[in-house]
Amino acid sequence: GENVEQHPSTLSVQEGDSAVIKCTYSDSASNYFPWYKQELGKGPQLIIDIRSNVGEKKDQRIAVTLNKTAKHFSLHITETQPEDSAVYFCAASMNSGYSTLTFGKGTMLLVSP
Amino acid sequence: DVKVTQSSRYLVKRTGEKVFLECVQDMDHENMFWYRQDPGLGLRLIYFSYDVKMKEKGDIPEGYSVSREKKERFSLILESASTNQTSMYLCASSLSGPNYGYTFGSGTRLTVV
Repeated sequence: GENVEQHPSTLSVQEGDSAVIKCTYSDSASNYFPWYKQELGKGPQLIIDIRSNVGEKKDQRIAVTLNKTAKHFSLHITETQPEDSAVYFCAASMNSGYSTLTFGKGTMLLVSP
Repeated sequence: DVKVTQSSRYLVKRTGEKVFLECVQDMDHENMFWYRQDPGLGLRLIYFSYDVKMKEKGDIPEGYSVSREKKERFSLILESASTNQTSMYLCASSLSGPNYGYTFGSGTRLTVV
């Protein structure tokens, strides 16, 4: 089955800095890569996703890049703010009938004012 | 606003009890999922369902069962609760087919004593 590795497990930045979280996946058949943000006491929330026919996608201060050859994808947050502090999860799934999402172990991002 | 609602935020149960965790979604989604979240282990899939009365095992089904009698409701059952099932349980739903993001509930934190 699919295996998703996520790094780093914790990341501390100063407000206004950029943050990058990286994930690798094992199954070359995977073609959908979402990112989730989980705030304290809440369930994960989808913030951005990318499909394998696209190399990069942006939404305001967040962007995701995908390198299918190397089987890795990254989340980039620019101009970080304290409200970006949360746990972020990457995930991957295949484009086949009953495929499910396989999640990374998460990155705790702390943005200090 | 679309919602996945988990019936309890916090539960405390005794070892050996039969425990029911309920999840309801109002988005007419075909797919529903139960994940378990533990520190350092990320989100692990317990069971999922692609249709009413249909269920598939995830990565860690041992000690659990599920029921989906109606499209909007997916129940997780701990047949005989044990202390190693103390965890955060997250329910999610999605549209049918691959490559759709999940909508998560807020979670149920279960403590087995």
